[in-house]
Amino acid sequence: KNQVEQSPQSLIILEGKNCTLQCNYTVSPFSNLRWYKQDTGRGPVSLTIMTFSENTKSNGRYTATLDADTKQSSLHITASQLSDSASYICVVIPNTGFQKLVFGTGTRLLVSP
Amino acid sequence: ETGVTQSPTHLIKTRGQQVTLRCSSQSGHNTVSWYQQALGQGPQFIFQYYREEENGRGNFPPRFSGLQFPNYSSELNVNALELDDSALYLCASSLVGGKYTEAFFGQGTRLTVV
Repeated sequence: KNQVEQSPQSLIILEGKNCTLQCNYTVSPFSNLRWYKQDTGRGPVSLTIMTFSENTKSNGRYTATLDADTKQSSLHITASQLSDSASYICVVIPNTGFQKLVFGTGTRLLVSP
Repeated sequence: ETGVTQSPTHLIKTRGQQVTLRCSSQSGHNTVSWYQQALGQGPQFIFQYYREEENGRGNFPPRFSGLQFPNYSSELNVNALELDDSALYLCASSLVGGKYTEAFFGQGTRLTVV
């Protein structure tokens, strides 16, 4: 069973609309939780980083939330743009002696004109 | 651009061959990690090198090996290639320490094993 699960697997929205992506994780304890954006065939790019004590973090039109009690995180995208079409991956970093990123399988977002 | 470069960008190999992938880390970073991303899946951790020594490894067989050089660049070597090794291989560079460690990814190497 994957330690980081995301939903939905894929999503299509109209340009200008908002959307929310979900992440449930079982990794514990963890150092921090991140959301990455990955364009097809490219390396992931960090959007937000939250430690276990943070509840929310914004980066422009991206807002991430974290509920450490329920082990859930969400990524909210406002006023979507065509360039937002990509995979969005939730990543949890366990508290280990080395930095190992545990990736979810991602949500594939398509923003349609 | 993240400052992390990987080479080559694409590669086709035959089953049973050996391959070496390269990664130049971001200036000032002392840690490099390698990930394998199969099509439609999230990246899976292969191993991490810190100051030229392996300090963490995922669930990959010994035919996956690596090196980190004094300038903190790195190589990933895969021996006896199998068809299932076909994937995007990602290198992540970071500077360990502080509140949390940001990881910057290269653009990846797409390996196809035929």
